[in-house]
Amino acid sequence: DTAVSQTPKYLVTQMGNDKSIKCEQNLGHDTMYWYKQDSKKFLKIMFSYNNKELIINETVPNRFSPKSPDKAHLNLHINSLELGDSAVYFCASSQDQVGTEAFFGQGTRLTVV
Amino acid sequence: SQKIEQNSEALNIQEGKTATLTCNYTNYSPAYLQWYRQDPGRGPVFLLLIRENEKEKRKERLKVTFDTTLKQSLFHITASQPADSATYLCALRNQGGKLIFGQGTELSVKP
Repeated sequence: DTAVSQTPKYLVTQMGNDKSIKCEQNLGHDTMYWYKQDSKKFLKIMFSYNNKELIINETVPNRFSPKSPDKAHLNLHINSLELGDSAVYFCASSQDQVGTEAFFGQGTRLTVV
Repeated sequence: SQKIEQNSEALNIQEGKTATLTCNYTNYSPAYLQWYRQDPGRGPVFLLLIRENEKEKRKERLKVTFDTTLKQSLFHITASQPADSATYLCALRNQGGKLIFGQGTELSVKP
């Protein structure tokens, strides 16, 4: 069973489009995250939710909007896509927001053309 | 500002040798530090967690040390194998709850 699954794995789209990436975890964790990994492989946190509530919102353009319908899901919607949004986006979860390790999804490679 | 720094240059070693990767941090007082492995096209996978009151932690061929005075962690892989080739990331959780990653060090183990 996949612990953290995100879809799609690849996403190619044109500038200006709106797209969503879905994430689900079946670990019963309270906390979920979105990370962006750029071409230099640097993994940067974007958002963190704990029990469906937003707890971390980094300096991310407001074109990015996370939504957590329940504790097991954290989706990422991106409006008006730009070339610079091209990256690999990772969803992750952890038992809580304090100390435990994070489990990552396989990543979604977003290419904006 | 808070920083986590790892050797940005790739580390190339011969099979059977010990690989040592470094993680330095500034302006943090972490209660613990974590190490992850990332293979190309995959998400990071958790390896080890070490707490501030632990000097050393081991798991099979892996060993992690944590020096809160030096603000440094060392990650060792003994008897390295080509299958250990990957990027290794250290991570800290800051007081705001963010899990922050270093930029990673790419390890290549040659047969």
